[in-house]
Amino acid sequence: DQQVKQNSPSLSVQEGRISILNCDYTNSMFDYFLWYKKYPAEGPTFLISISSIKDKNEDGRFTVFLNKSAKHLSLHIVPSQPGDSAVYFCAASATGGTSYGKLTFGQGTILTVHP
Amino acid sequence: NAGVTQTPKFRVLKTGQSMTLLCAQDMNHEYMYWYRQDPGMGLRLIHYSVGEGTTAKGEVPDGYNVSRLKKQNFLLGLESAAPSQTSVYFCASSFIPLLKGTNEQFFGPGTRLTVL
Repeated sequence: DQQVKQNSPSLSVQEGRISILNCDYTNSMFDYFLWYKKYPAEGPTFLISISSIKDKNEDGRFTVFLNKSAKHLSLHIVPSQPGDSAVYFCAASATGGTSYGKLTFGQGTILTVHP
Repeated sequence: NAGVTQTPKFRVLKTGQSMTLLCAQDMNHEYMYWYRQDPGMGLRLIHYSVGEGTTAKGEVPDGYNVSRLKKQNFLLGLESAAPSQTSVYFCASSFIPLLKGTNEQFFGPGTRLTVL
């Protein structure tokens, strides 16, 4: 049972344009969401996060939007740069009770930004 | 600060052999995690620890054991390796979730394991 899904295995965009990566979740207990970026042969690195009490969080070129009613979040990168080419993972956690901060990851989306 | 380090970076095993993967962190994090990454599957949690001397099962614990004898180290053991354990293994660590206002986990560079 895949509780976090990234339905697009890959995305290709032109440099300077917007990249939109999508993520859907099914567990209504999830209340904290993160995006990680991963380059080949490296570990994932944290990009941006959002708590369920917000519907938007911005950090420079990166914005994450959360739609709780649709159980959907998206990552917008504007403008996209060739260095953004990587695998992007969406992750979710339920921060209360005995969850101990465990993250549930999506399958990842390969973003390619063409010069 | 080295952050999260993993040893070894690569390993090839034969079916039935055993090995231990070592994870070390120098950020004084309470929590540590072991994940495996397989194509099309994302990262899946194997085991985790919420403090020195504690361990707990994650999503895919079968065939693995862990130990956390020191706060900074988290060991992942394979007692009898199987081809299904061919994967990339990532260790991660974090502060107590949301204690510092974030649930961010910090990842090591990974260990690529092949079981023949």
